[in-house]
Amino acid sequence: DAGITQSPRYKITETGRQVTLMCHQTWSHSYMFWYRQDLGHGLRLIYYSAAADITDKGEVSDGYVVSRSKTENFPLTLESATRSQTSVYFCASTRDSWQPQHFGDGTRLSIL
Amino acid sequence: GESVGLHLPTLSVQEGDNSIINCAYSNSASDYFIWYKQESGKGPQFIIDIRSNMDKRQGQRVTVLLNKTVKHLSLQIAATQPGDSAVYFCAEGSGNNRKLIWGLGTSLAVNP
Repeated sequence: DAGITQSPRYKITETGRQVTLMCHQTWSHSYMFWYRQDLGHGLRLIYYSAAADITDKGEVSDGYVVSRSKTENFPLTLESATRSQTSVYFCASTRDSWQPQHFGDGTRLSIL
Repeated sequence: GESVGLHLPTLSVQEGDNSIINCAYSNSASDYFIWYKQESGKGPQFIIDIRSNMDKRQGQRVTVLLNKTVKHLSLQIAATQPGDSAVYFCAEGSGNNRKLIWGLGTSLAVNP
């Protein structure tokens, strides 16, 4: 089964560039999430979405933009990348609040 | 950014022994708790969850215990195997808030 896929797996870019990370899930889950994972901070929520066209900020949303025009896709855009956004980014989805979130394998993003 | 010199708590066990990984959660209003396993280069993988109306739940080789009095959660792994070596995260959520608060993780090393 396809599940949840993220692309690209690895990305290197320069400060000031715009970069978009893709997330696609095949379960038709209503809820989708973006996290970043950094040493010493664990997983921190960037944005989440309860349904198509409904998004809300997480604890570290500054510098990021999301959209959700279709249920299955939830792209994350760094409008003007900064070195502090170097991280591993994970996308997750779930059917409802009492169900576990299922994660993709992440995008490792390096900003030079 | 990264915290130089910060290391995850590590639990080292012998193959075949039982493992207990502990987690102190922060919000007394949290009513949903979940454990994930993360292997190197992969996304977090759901292990087991529990709601606050329970104090114990069992899965295949795993048991989660919840002590709401002291805000403590534990994951017990029976007959630990080398394939159990990974970082384990606990997370908590409350009510209709789909956002999870994540712990920093514990690294489990299984010695053959």
